[in-house]
Amino acid sequence: GEDVEQSLFLSVREGDSSVINCTYTDSSSTYLYWYKQEPGAGLQLLTYIFSNMDMKQDQRLTVLLNKKDKHLSLRIADTQTGDSAIYFCAERMDSSYKLIFGSGTRLLVRP
Amino acid sequence: NAGVTQTPKFRVLKTGQSMTLLCAQDMNHEYMYWYRQDPGMGLRLIHYSVGEGTTAKGEVPDGYNVSRLKKQNFLLGLESAAPSQTSVYFCASSFLSGQGRHEQYFGPGTRLTVT
Repeated sequence: GEDVEQSLFLSVREGDSSVINCTYTDSSSTYLYWYKQEPGAGLQLLTYIFSNMDMKQDQRLTVLLNKKDKHLSLRIADTQTGDSAIYFCAERMDSSYKLIFGSGTRLLVRP
Repeated sequence: NAGVTQTPKFRVLKTGQSMTLLCAQDMNHEYMYWYRQDPGMGLRLIHYSVGEGTTAKGEVPDGYNVSRLKKQNFLLGLESAAPSQTSVYFCASSFLSGQGRHEQYFGPGTRLTVT
């Protein structure tokens, strides 16, 4: 079945690293995505990783994928107050163009 | 490019009233989607379209109808609004890239309250 799970809340101090975790159940996922939603706004694509990759780095963002455990994480280095938002992971199976979203992790960055 | 736009941004309806939400995209994307977002539940797919003139049901289609008469527009209709349809509605569009990616681009959302 299709299910994507995330923890609901994460609080970090400004300047620290944040790690947001996600687990998914469908081993046929091809692409996995991270989206960011700021208050009152739509979802903005942050980054993605293809299922044959273990890691992808993009400036302050590092995505790690453990296919064996079906675990995806997003690490934000030097977290800033502007990073406070809800972060969604999403998976896409090879046979579908639809995305399955997790319920989102609210990141709060304390000054 | 404006990307994906939605109108209206806010709306309050009484139970039983009808309304149409409009989504427009100027990126020439084939695929379009309507989601609803409720607290603690992430995004749930209502209906989607894989091209002009086509529509299909998503995860939670009951109480909604859609139309895609033009490629750039995707309309979501509520024929008889119910309080359970109080939510934030997001439209998205996507295309299939050469690398097989299918990332979706989202509009800013419509906040609907049904009293």
